[in-house]
Amino acid sequence: GQQVMQIPQYQHVQEGEDFTTYCNSSTTLSNIQWYKQRPGGHPVFLIQLVKSGEVKKQKRLTFQFGEAKKNSSLHITATQTTDVGTYFCAGDSNYQLIWGAGTKLIIKP
Amino acid sequence: NAGVTQTPKFRILKIGQSMTLQCTQDMNHNYMYWYRQDPGMGLKLIYYSVGAGITDKGEVPNGYNVSRSTTEDFPLRLELAAPSQTSVYFCASSYRVGGSEQFFGPGTRLTVL
Repeated sequence: GQQVMQIPQYQHVQEGEDFTTYCNSSTTLSNIQWYKQRPGGHPVFLIQLVKSGEVKKQKRLTFQFGEAKKNSSLHITATQTTDVGTYFCAGDSNYQLIWGAGTKLIIKP
Repeated sequence: NAGVTQTPKFRILKIGQSMTLQCTQDMNHNYMYWYRQDPGMGLKLIYYSVGAGITDKGEVPNGYNVSRSTTEDFPLRLELAAPSQTSVYFCASSYRVGGSEQFFGPGTRLTVL
């Protein structure tokens, strides 16, 4: 079946360092969505990418959608404690969201 | 608007018991979803609905049932609870089925002992 692989599973960073998570789909996607889940919370929508090669920015967050619409990345510049949580990608294919397993961002004390 | 609400927040069941997880949305969304999230894992779709009276299975439907009698409500029924159903359950809704963000409820944390 369709799969969206997301890596890494965890990333430990010092506050102020950058963070990146990657998603790869086994099939071409109509669009890809990104969500953030704070510890103990529920997923909250961040952004949707639709066009091939699309790049969108939200302050320190940069989202990219690959040219073939099969991969995507989220990059956070200069992480802050408020960035802690798990970041999920969700690929839209045939009108169903296929979720990646998430990348947990952990800030080292 | 309250968005998506879920009850209860927490529940402990014994093996073989049954229960219904409630989900209500006030955004007039046609599309609603039930997910489960096991510890450290992503979301798996249990059931979804494209409108009142219409439901369909997702990736992991076994052991669950749903109904959708109104646009607002989408309850999830667990029959004969098993330890494998220990999980956090999220209800979500969206305006469209494709290309539309999903709004999530706060979740129900279920433990089956």
